[in-house]
Amino acid sequence: NAGVTQTPKFQVLKTGQSMTLQCAQDMNHNSMYWYRQDPGMGLRLIYYSASEGTTDKGEVPNGYNVSRLNKREFSLRLESAAPSQTSVYFCASSSRTSGHYEQYFGPGTRLTVT
Amino acid sequence: DAKTTQPNSMESNEEEPVHLPCNHSTISGTDYIHWYRQLPSQGPEYVIHGLTSNVNNRMASLAIAEDRKSSTLILHRATLRDAAVYYCILRDVVMGSARQLTFGSGTQLTVLP
Repeated sequence: NAGVTQTPKFQVLKTGQSMTLQCAQDMNHNSMYWYRQDPGMGLRLIYYSASEGTTDKGEVPNGYNVSRLNKREFSLRLESAAPSQTSVYFCASSSRTSGHYEQYFGPGTRLTVT
Repeated sequence: DAKTTQPNSMESNEEEPVHLPCNHSTISGTDYIHWYRQLPSQGPEYVIHGLTSNVNNRMASLAIAEDRKSSTLILHRATLRDAAVYYCILRDVVMGSARQLTFGSGTQLTVLP
């Protein structure tokens, strides 16, 4: 099992450019999440998907869109990148059958917006 | 979500036990106590969780105060690989529903050789 994988690992964007961060999990988990982590801070939830076909806003959704493509994949899109979106982005997943007690995180995408 | 308070940093010697405290005086009866850790340049990793009773797993033990207003994560024998930021998180988990994790700033654990 690869667990949770994220692509790309690193990305540099210019202000106003768009990009999509990809996330996939091979653990047959129902729920998936996108977090961002700014330097020296804890993670903050951007969006989550409780199950295939549903998405909900988290704490900091402005400037982002998401797509739950299927049970395995959950993508995060920045339509018009801003320097304030410079951060490390983590995708995570959890299983309803285990009560969502454990979230499994990917290795992260380091995004810099200049 | 109820708030947690953790020391900003702690040090430990290698191969000695480590007790990481967490205060959560406003915890509600349905809040579970979760611990995650984040090694340098990696995503967070689940460590342990509990509700009222003390819990043990292969990674650590969780000691929960009788009034549930505080808890302690115990690493029985610290290794250099345990150097990480440790997050104590309260979460009201409803079975069948995804819930976000609310991360604070955590405790940076340094393990000295």
